[in-house]
Amino acid sequence: GNSVTQMEGPVTLSEEAFLTINCTYTATGYPSLFWYVQYPGEGLQLLLKATKADDKGSNKGFEATYRKETTSFHLEKGSVQVSDSAVYFCALSDRDGGSQGNLIFGKGTKLSVKP
Amino acid sequence: DARVTQTPRHKVTEMGQEVTMRCQPILGHNTVFWYRQTMMQGLELLAYFRNRAPLDDSGMPKDRFSAEMPDATLATLKIQPSEPRDSAVYFCASGLRQAYAETQYFGPGTRLLVL
Repeated sequence: GNSVTQMEGPVTLSEEAFLTINCTYTATGYPSLFWYVQYPGEGLQLLLKATKADDKGSNKGFEATYRKETTSFHLEKGSVQVSDSAVYFCALSDRDGGSQGNLIFGKGTKLSVKP
Repeated sequence: DARVTQTPRHKVTEMGQEVTMRCQPILGHNTVFWYRQTMMQGLELLAYFRNRAPLDDSGMPKDRFSAEMPDATLATLKIQPSEPRDSAVYFCASGLRQAYAETQYFGPGTRLLVL
């Protein structure tokens, strides 16, 4: 079946540090991949997405590249800010793989950025 | 700026009481999802609708939970009777079914506490 595995947190970084949050997936079809972010007390917001292999999604300084050969979609940011402190969710949508296009979420990775 | 709205934002109730949560999806979206988020289980899909028809509610405890979509602008999730283990944040999300990916837009959630 389809699944998403992301690195467990929490991740604690100093401001301006480099961020990587690993995400790997298992899918029987050709999924689209997403990163969502959840700030404290709020719902999830779409951060970026990629719909096919080698696509790079980017937004607010965050990037992730769809790597079919390694079934990965790692999230990166070159210089984090305190305001990036949140929980990050990796997700896939696999229309052809039995999940009917619904999102399959990872468990989330909590990021804390210290001044 | 179109958003998913949810009411109430917070609800405290006693065990055995009925709880009704409401969601207004983004105008024009044809899919509505209900999720539950807890520390232990993470994000769980409870049910979803497409074009107001229920497609899957396998994630819901059938004996006490019910989800409906009386019209295109309103989705409801009811719990009767409520139990302490139902305490969680309940999110509604809406989306527009497209060819390759369905981006979901989340509401701010209803934080439910059952005493």
